[in-house]
Amino acid sequence: GENVEQHPSTLSVQEGDSAVIKCTYSDSASNYFPWYKQELGKGPQLIIDIRSNVGEKKDQRIAVTLNKTAKHFSLHITETQPEDSAVYFCAASRDFGNEKLTFGTGTRLTIIP
Amino acid sequence: GAGVSQTPSNKVTEKGKYVELRCDPISGHTALYWYRQSLGQGPEFLIYFQGTGAADDSGLPNDRFFAVRPEGSVSTLKIQRTERGDSAVYLCASSPGSTNTEAFFGQGTRLTVV
Repeated sequence: GENVEQHPSTLSVQEGDSAVIKCTYSDSASNYFPWYKQELGKGPQLIIDIRSNVGEKKDQRIAVTLNKTAKHFSLHITETQPEDSAVYFCAASRDFGNEKLTFGTGTRLTIIP
Repeated sequence: GAGVSQTPSNKVTEKGKYVELRCDPISGHTALYWYRQSLGQGPEFLIYFQGTGAADDSGLPNDRFFAVRPEGSVSTLKIQRTERGDSAVYLCASSPGSTNTEAFFGQGTRLTVV
């Protein structure tokens, strides 16, 4: 089955700086890669996703890149703000939808004011 | 209710007891998923419904776990003979369909087996 590894497990950045979180996956058939933000006591919330026919996607301060050859994808948050502090999860799926997502182990991001 | 609703939000039960966890998906969403999240880990897939049928139940850990969605809307996750290792947050998500659509998660049910 699919295996998703995520690094780092914790990340602290100064407010205004950029944060980068990286994930690798094992199943070459995976073609859908979402990123979720989870705040304490809440369920994961989708913040951005990318599909295998696209190499990069950007939404305001958030961007995701995908390298299918190397089987890795990354989340980039620029101009970080205190409200960006949360746990972030990457995930991978074989389908263009959300069946059977395999999640990474999460990155606890702390923005230092 | 605009989002996925899960009840109860917290459940404490004794080892060996039976529990039911409920998920009310977003109205009109045909796909429903259950995940389990242990402390410090990412969610792990349990089961996926498309309509009333379980399209993929390969994530259920053993036969003590069972889920139903009899009318294609509300789903119940049932756990028999609970064990301390079942303690986790159980997350439900729904989406309008099975492809090209975002899954919306509920806030989860925190199950503690003592």
